[in-house]
Amino acid sequence: ETGVTQTPRHLVMGMTNKKSLKCEQHLGHNAMYWYKQSAKKPLELMFVYNFKEQTENNSVPSRFSPECPNSSHLFLHLHTLQPEDSALYLCASSQLTGVGDNEQFFGPGTRLTVL
Amino acid sequence: TQLLEQSPQFLSIQEGENLTVYCNSSSVFSSLQWYRQEPGEGPVLLVTVVTGGEVKKLKRLTFQFGDARKDSSLHITAAQPGDTGLYLCGAGSGSRLTFGEGTQLTVNP
Repeated sequence: ETGVTQTPRHLVMGMTNKKSLKCEQHLGHNAMYWYKQSAKKPLELMFVYNFKEQTENNSVPSRFSPECPNSSHLFLHLHTLQPEDSALYLCASSQLTGVGDNEQFFGPGTRLTVL
Repeated sequence: TQLLEQSPQFLSIQEGENLTVYCNSSSVFSSLQWYRQEPGEGPVLLVTVVTGGEVKKLKRLTFQFGDARKDSSLHITAAQPGDTGLYLCGAGSGSRLTFGEGTQLTVNP
């Protein structure tokens, strides 16, 4: 595997289900991100992890729960979602150097549909 | 919060035409990136610009960073159907990137 991988690619769930999205980066980066992409909206940053520590939570509802067990893996645990949470969820990674050129590499995304 | 405005939102052209898309803000960026995203996939990084006035070329794509580091443009020469996609600009500030809404480009054969 190379780059950033995400599983599953597609997920349909009911509002009472619990599911998890998985992301793995094979680039040796030290930061990982979750984004939400909805139709006709800019990419919305949800969470940032730097060296496994959460450094940003962009006012995300508690029904989304991130987990970063190590610098290569990132999970997004989902429970009691709403239909408006249906979107493409993208994971990204980057190597933060402090210089300012934060190049992010994205996975293919998980297309989530909440019924 | 940095806001990025991309224009135009939609662009449909014929193969062989030239085009320019823009990314503007009232804020100064430490860096700016351009990505292309195809349906059902994640954005793919095309280029990063960090110096005011910088120009970078990637085959038929020319990227320019404004002198004041508040705006950027992407020019495509002799567009091809394979250039079709959503072009996103992202502006850097520390560990976060703020993205514009994107320009949806369609190149018709």
